[in-house]
Amino acid sequence: DIRMTQSPSSLSASVGDRVTITCRASESIGTYLNWYRQKPGQAPNLLISTASTLQGGVPSRFSGSGSGTDFTLTISSLKPEDFATYYCQQSRSTPPTFGGGTKLEIK
Amino acid sequence: QVQLQESGPGLVKPSQTLSLTCSVSGGSISSGTYYWSWIRQSAGKGLEWIGRTHTGGSTIYNPSLKSRVTISLDTSKNQFFLNLTSVTAADTAVYYCVVIRGVYVFDPWGQGIVVTVSS
Repeated sequence: DIRMTQSPSSLSASVGDRVTITCRASESIGTYLNWYRQKPGQAPNLLISTASTLQGGVPSRFSGSGSGTDFTLTISSLKPEDFATYYCQQSRSTPPTFGGGTKLEIK
Repeated sequence: QVQLQESGPGLVKPSQTLSLTCSVSGGSISSGTYYWSWIRQSAGKGLEWIGRTHTGGSTIYNPSLKSRVTISLDTSKNQFFLNLTSVTAADTAVYYCVVIRGVYVFDPWGQGIVVTVSS
């Protein structure tokens, strides 16, 4: 299985801050990388697919980049609803696998 | 827009079979447009893909669970199902039914159902 490693595992930030979350794959996955946001008590919600494609309805403050083994999710200016846990997921091979999550907390 | 709703018992005894149903609205399972999947989330293992099925008959499971899992569907009821046999405490998790778009892009998700394995 492809192992997905996210860093940091937790992050404290303030409303208006710019934050970057990193995801690393144990082998090259091209751009087969998706990002999800999970708010407390809710299911994960797709933000970005194929490394950089923003899903409909997702605010433009979210952006994704990377290819191969190294990827980033950037939130340009944090809003209160962005304090949640973020997961990356590879869709290059079966089984699809997820990172361990990055919990974004209010400073 | 497709919506999903999980249902089933919230408590299962060790060694028994966990059985869940996912009811689909806003779209037809028989259309063949999507794959239908189950994912679980536990404190110990995080998010874990269980498997997926399709009306075309192709069903694939996570090798880590393959010996215990069956995913099936009923097009007449617009539902799909998860059976997990010989459960242990390690199977305690929130179970989600999920639509697969494209290549393993999971969207949308059901709200999830908490299943506890305990005597």
